[in-house]
Amino acid sequence: SQTIHQWPATLVQPVGSPLSLECTVEGTSNPNLYWYRQAAGRGLQLLFYSVGIGQISSEVPQNLSASRPQDRQFILSSKKLLLSDSGFYLCAWRGQGDTEAFFGQGTRLTVV
Amino acid sequence: AQRVTQPEKLLSVFKGAPVELKCNYSYSGSPELFWYVQYSRQRLQLLLRHISRESIKGFTADLNKGETSFHLKKPFAQEEDSAMYYCALRGSGGTYKYIFGTGTRLKVLA
Repeated sequence: SQTIHQWPATLVQPVGSPLSLECTVEGTSNPNLYWYRQAAGRGLQLLFYSVGIGQISSEVPQNLSASRPQDRQFILSSKKLLLSDSGFYLCAWRGQGDTEAFFGQGTRLTVV
Repeated sequence: AQRVTQPEKLLSVFKGAPVELKCNYSYSGSPELFWYVQYSRQRLQLLLRHISRESIKGFTADLNKGETSFHLKKPFAQEEDSAMYYCALRGSGGTYKYIFGTGTRLKVLA
C-alpha cells in the first residue's frame, strides 16, 4: 500500500537560518507531488507541485524553493528563513490515474 | 482564475440539526470537486468527490454547475463530525493542481 512520510513534525528555527523539509512516498511510481502551506483563515495555499524528477512548478513568489531529486522524494527549502515563513506545511501526492490527493501529517514550522 | 470560496470560517450547530457547508468555485472548464476533512490531530483526508456521487458518513454534495457550487450537506449532525472542512477543485484536461478554499470549522454542540 502507498504511504507518505513527512518530517520533521515540528521545527523551530531562527530567522536567517536555512530550511529543509523532506517528504517521501512509498508504494507508487511517478506520483505528482505537492507542497502546501496551511494558515489559519487562509486555508491551504499551493506552493509547489511536481509532475516528475527535476520538474518543479512554483505557484507563488516567495522565500522558499522545492526540489525533486528522486521520483518519490520532494524537498522544501529556504536559504534564509523569514518570520513570515512560519506555518504548517503539508506534502501531498497523487498517483497516476487517481483523482484524489493524499496528504502527509504536516510540519509545524516556527521561525523565531 | 481558479478559485474556491468557502464563506463561513466557523459553523456551529447542535447535535441532530442539519448541516450545510457552502462552497462556490470559479473555473472556466469542467473541474473535479472534492471535500476534504481534517479531524483533530489527524491528517487531512478525502471525504468525498463529486464524480462518485456517494454518501460518506452521512454527508452528500451535489455539483451545481449553474450556480458553480458544491455544498456539503448532512441531515443530522453528530458530535464526531466536528472538524475542519475544505472544499477543493482540480481542473480538467490533465491539470495537476488542487486548489483549496479557506476552510470551514464545523462545531457540533451537544
